[in-house]
Amino acid sequence: NAGVTQTPKFQVLKTGQSMTLQCAQDMNHEYMSWYRQDPGMGLRLIHYSVGAGITDQGEVPNGYNVSRSTTEDFPLRLLSAAPSQTSVYFCASKQGTGNTIYFGEGSWLTVV
Amino acid sequence: TQLLEQSPQFLSIQEGENLTVYCNSSSVFSSLQWYRQEPGEGPVLLVTVVTGGEVKKLKRLTFQFGDARKDSSLHITAAQPGDTGLYLCATHSKTSYDKVIFGPGTSLSVIP
Repeated sequence: NAGVTQTPKFQVLKTGQSMTLQCAQDMNHEYMSWYRQDPGMGLRLIHYSVGAGITDQGEVPNGYNVSRSTTEDFPLRLLSAAPSQTSVYFCASKQGTGNTIYFGEGSWLTVV
Repeated sequence: TQLLEQSPQFLSIQEGENLTVYCNSSSVFSSLQWYRQEPGEGPVLLVTVVTGGEVKKLKRLTFQFGDARKDSSLHITAAQPGDTGLYLCATHSKTSYDKVIFGPGTSLSVIP
């Protein structure tokens, strides 16, 4: 049972570098999202998608891009990494009308 | 922007003690969810409450939804070390139902 799979698990970037965090789900969920988690701030929504070809901004979208070309995949792109983007990133998915959100195991990103 | 507040932020107790953590907002919740997150993992759904005054039990965990649907509590009876983790409440944003927002969490440590 794969569920939501994120890669990489750990990444160190230099300021200004770009990278993509990959996310895939095998549950045929319409809804996918990306959160970042920082100490004392819970989970903050970056971007979300309610289906292939549809994306929208969350609470903290600046510095991140997303696309949703298939139901299964929802990559998160950092075009020019900044130290403020050091965080733990979680990808999540759910059925369109469902309440249960399924999370990946997280990606630890450090920008130096 | 709807904000979720959680208290206390940190809680450290001895095994066998009881505890209650709280989640509240200035706005009425459409529904509210409680998640538990263990270190190094993504959050996992514990329960969803929908109706004002609703009480749900999950073994030693009791969840209550306020009559006015602006607050919720999680009570743990006879806490065990396995209850250690970050407890997060979540709800749908009032501006967009598709946005799921989280509170900052209560970090619980149960000492054997």
